[in-house]
Amino acid sequence: AQSVAQPEDQVNVAEGNPLTVKCTYSVSGNPYLFWYVQYPNRGLQFLLKYITGDNLVKGSYGFEAEFNKSQTSFHLKKPSALVSDSALSFCAVRQYNAGNNRKLIWGLGTSLAVNP
Amino acid sequence: AAGVIQSPRHLIKEKRETATLKCYPIPRHDTVYWYQQGPGQDPQFLISFYEKMQSDKGSIPDRFSAQQFSDYHSELNMSSLELGDSALYFCASRGQGRAGELFFGEGSRLTVL
Repeated sequence: AQSVAQPEDQVNVAEGNPLTVKCTYSVSGNPYLFWYVQYPNRGLQFLLKYITGDNLVKGSYGFEAEFNKSQTSFHLKKPSALVSDSALSFCAVRQYNAGNNRKLIWGLGTSLAVNP
Repeated sequence: AAGVIQSPRHLIKEKRETATLKCYPIPRHDTVYWYQQGPGQDPQFLISFYEKMQSDKGSIPDRFSAQQFSDYHSELNMSSLELGDSALYFCASRGQGRAGELFFGEGSRLTVL
């Protein structure tokens, strides 16, 4: 079965410190991987995606993510966190196939809290 | 740049009433998705449309229906509303190509009293 796991309900870091939000996936075939963030009462905002190519993907607001095929992981990272990075973060995967199944499979979300 | 527009942003209904949510995708985006997100929950996929045809169906209740019109906007119709239908409803659109990311609207918050 296809699935996405975000093992941490919450990640707390101090401002200026590096942050990592973990995501692992299970999908047949080649995955398309995405990270989104959601601020309170707002829509989901796209951060970055991995389709193919370099395993390190750079995205919006200084975030990056590293695709690791052997570990089936796509952890979100930022070298120096800001208080304004505090949000709910979601990892998502879409299975590559030739059909019309374009549905994203979502993780349960990780609350990212950056403390001043 | 134009984004996904959803209306209304907030909606309050009584039990057993009906509600209609509208979604206007980004121009030239051919795929629309509807998601339901309860408090503290991850988004639950409801239904999607590609080129005005239903392309995938998720956990959409039978009381709900949706369609995509010739101008690509989509409407989610909800009838016999229940308290548990209170949630944020998101619409997202995706451009052509396999690997495009979804662009989400700001959501419509439905409260059923």
